[in-house]
Amino acid sequence: AQSVTQPDIHITVSEGASLELRCNYSYGATPYLFWYVQSPGQGLQLLLKYFSGDTLVQGIKGFEAEFKRSQSSFNLRKPSVHWSDAAEDFCAVVAYSSASKIIFGSGTRLSIRP
Amino acid sequence: DTAVSQTPKYLVTQMGNDKSIKCEQNLGHDTMYWYKQDSKKFLKIMFSYNNKELIINETVPNRFSPKSPDKAHLNLHINSLELGDSAVYFCASSQGTGGWTDTQYFGPGTRLTVL
Repeated sequence: AQSVTQPDIHITVSEGASLELRCNYSYGATPYLFWYVQSPGQGLQLLLKYFSGDTLVQGIKGFEAEFKRSQSSFNLRKPSVHWSDAAEDFCAVVAYSSASKIIFGSGTRLSIRP
Repeated sequence: DTAVSQTPKYLVTQMGNDKSIKCEQNLGHDTMYWYKQDSKKFLKIMFSYNNKELIINETVPNRFSPKSPDKAHLNLHINSLELGDSAVYFCASSQGTGGWTDTQYFGPGTRLTVL
């Protein structure tokens, strides 16, 4: 069965510093991969997604993610974080089959240090 | 204009009661979803509807009954509420037939507290 792991529960980064949030998945083939952001009291917003092709995908708000098949990872990066990036970030995976569904990771809470 | 809206935003009720949460989307999307986010922020899909037809029904107790009067609305009715139903419920919508490649747009959530 597919699963997704976000090893970091909480990360604090200084404003202007770079960021990398980890996401690992478990599935035999290449799944569909997503990163969502949830600001306090809000619903989720899609940051970026990967289905196929170029393994480095660009998203909104200056975020990018790289799919690494050999490591079963889809880490989220940003070269310079802003205070408004403070939120909960969720990685999600869909392993496409006749009974596919989306599976979310447990989330990483991102705090920004002034 | 709010793309996906939910009412109410907060819902506090007693165990055993029946309650409904409403969801509306004005994006013209064909597919709508309900998700449950528990106290540990774990998000799980419950249902999805495409053009008023149920396409995903996860292992959710039959006390939960979604109803889609038209493709712009997907309401969630919960009977005999239990303490474990306390969570934030999110509605979402997407274009297309519910394939996971379509971007989902989420509502702001409804925080349900069962006492």
